[in-house]
Amino acid sequence: DQQVKQNSPSLSVQEGRISILNCDYTNSMFDYFLWYKKYPAEGPTFLISISSIKDKNEDGRFTVFLNKSAKHLSLHIVPSQPGDSAVYFCAAVTYKSGAGSYQLTFGKGTKLSVIP
Amino acid sequence: KAGVTQTPRYLIKTRGQQVTLSCSPISGHRSVSWYQQTPGQGLQFLFEYFSETQRNKGNFPGRFSGRQFSNSRSEMNVSTLELGDSALYLCASSLGQGIAPLHFGNGTRLTVT
Repeated sequence: DQQVKQNSPSLSVQEGRISILNCDYTNSMFDYFLWYKKYPAEGPTFLISISSIKDKNEDGRFTVFLNKSAKHLSLHIVPSQPGDSAVYFCAAVTYKSGAGSYQLTFGKGTKLSVIP
Repeated sequence: KAGVTQTPRYLIKTRGQQVTLSCSPISGHRSVSWYQQTPGQGLQFLFEYFSETQRNKGNFPGRFSGRQFSNSRSEMNVSTLELGDSALYLCASSLGQGIAPLHFGNGTRLTVT
């Protein structure tokens, strides 16, 4: 079962416009969420995170919104730039008490293309 | 500070062989996690090592194993390779305490023929 879902495999946006990437989750035990960006031939890099006790977190052009009742989060990029073209992964965190550690569960990713 | 280093970058193996991948974490990071990325499957968690002990494990067969050394460097081994093992294998390091973002290496691209 897929606990973190990114239902849009790809998204194309005009430069300067807003990019909205969506992520849904099924496990209500997730208490922290992160977004990663991945360029081809590179590893994912951390972008922004949000705790389950918040509904919004902003960092420059990037804002993440969390709707706990809908089990939905979204990443907004404003304004979008060609350099933002990458695959974006949503990840959710749970605490594994047996392991004594936190584990990340990733979605399958959304490929964003920003058109100049 | 140097990032996470994975070697080799590319590897081609034949079905039935075994392979060992290496990961050097960021200095000071004690946790190393391994992920498998295949087209359309996202990043799937293999296992996590902390202070030389496997602390957490994903749902992969026993052919996938790993270890961590006293300097926090980690190796992952896959035995009896199958065609479906072709993937990008990513290593990530973190301090390993609390919720800390993972820092990923650039991965090892394994192709099994």
